[in-house]
This record gives sequence, structure tokens and C-alpha cells, in this order.
Amino acid sequence: AQKITQTQPGMFVQEKEAVTLDCTYDTSDPSYGLFWYKQPSSGEMIFLIYQGSYDQQNATEGRYSLNFQKARKSANLVISASQLGDSAMYFCAMREGSGTYKYIFGTGTRLKVLA
Amino acid sequence: DADVTQTPRNRITKTGKRIMLECSQTKGHDRMYWYRQDPGLGLRLIYYSFDVKDINKGEISDGYSVSRQAQAKFSLSLESAIPNQTALYFCATSDAGLNEKLFFGSGTQLSVL
Repeated sequence: AQKITQTQPGMFVQEKEAVTLDCTYDTSDPSYGLFWYKQPSSGEMIFLIYQGSYDQQNATEGRYSLNFQKARKSANLVISASQLGDSAMYFCAMREGSGTYKYIFGTGTRLKVLA
Repeated sequence: DADVTQTPRNRITKTGKRIMLECSQTKGHDRMYWYRQDPGLGLRLIYYSFDVKDINKGEISDGYSVSRQAQAKFSLSLESAIPNQTALYFCATSDAGLNEKLFFGSGTQLSVL
């Protein structure tokens, strides 16, 4: 069965520093997609970045990059040059390419950026 | 206007009451989902639907039911609410491709007293 694990309940980072949020996954499907979402204190879910299992290069979107290590089944989110507005909850999610096409989520990491 | 609209935004109800959370979308997506979010547990899938005639249970469907009234509308019902159903509920939609992200509504904060 597919599973997403986020082992860091909370993280602190100094403003302007880079931070890595960990995500590991488990699936037997060779085709899958990995997503990261941000949830600020206002509660909405904001899509950040996507990585496909067959993508050869790590995904990047502005200050966000995804460190995809397929053999280790990890999909860590890297935020460069942290800003105060990055303080939020971050969720890793996966969608399998065959079968039910459900999206499953990890338990999240709460990031606090310090001034 | 939001692409995925949930109503109500907040609801307080009493144990044993029936309550319905509604979701409508203008994305034109066939796939719709209901999740609940609890602190420390992330988002868990309650039900999902791939078209009007296709409804599937998620990992935590007990105590909930759904209705897909049209492609654009997907409602979640709590037949007899209980306190441990207090949570933030999200409706989401997606298109069919593997790389298609979920589009979320603003959420409904439900409190069952």
C-alpha cells in the first residue's frame, strides 16, 4: 500500500537560510507523482511543486526545489532563502499512476522562519 | 470567484445531529475528493468520486456518506455527528493526468459539541 512519511513535526530556520523538509514514500507502482503543498495559518492549501517518477531532473519552482532520490524513495522539499512568509505547515503527497489514482498525504511539517 | 467552493466555512453542531457539507466546482474536473485534517494526522481521505456514477470509500469513511449530485457538486454528510468528527474538512478536485495537482476548497471547520 502507498504511504507517505514526514518525520519532522516541526522545524525552525533563520530568515534567508535554506531549509530541507523531509518526505519519504512507499509504493510498488513504477508510475507515480509527488506533490508538496503549503498551508499557511489562514488554512488554504497552496500547491508548490510536482515531481513525476519518470522525471530525470529534480523539479524547481522559484525558491522551491524537490530533491528526488528515487532509489531511496525520498522527495525532500528545499526552500532557499527563507522568508517570514514561508512560516506554514507543509505537506508531502503522492498519487499513484495506476489503480485508484488517490492522493495520499503525510502528516506534515510545521516550519517557523525566525527573523 | 473560487474554482472550488465549500459551504459552510464554519459550523458548530451538537452530537447526534445530521449535517451536510457542500462542495461545488467550476474547474470542469470529473474527480472530486473529501479529506479531513486533524492536527498531527495530516489529511486523510474520506471519499472520492471519479464521475457521477463512481463513488469510492477512502481510508476513513465510517460515519460519513457522500452524494455526487452532478459533475460539479459533491456533498459530504455526517448522519449522526460525534465529537471526534470535529476537524477541518477539505473538498478537492483534480483532472485525470498523473501530474495533475489537487485543487482545494477553502475548507470547512466543523465542531461537534
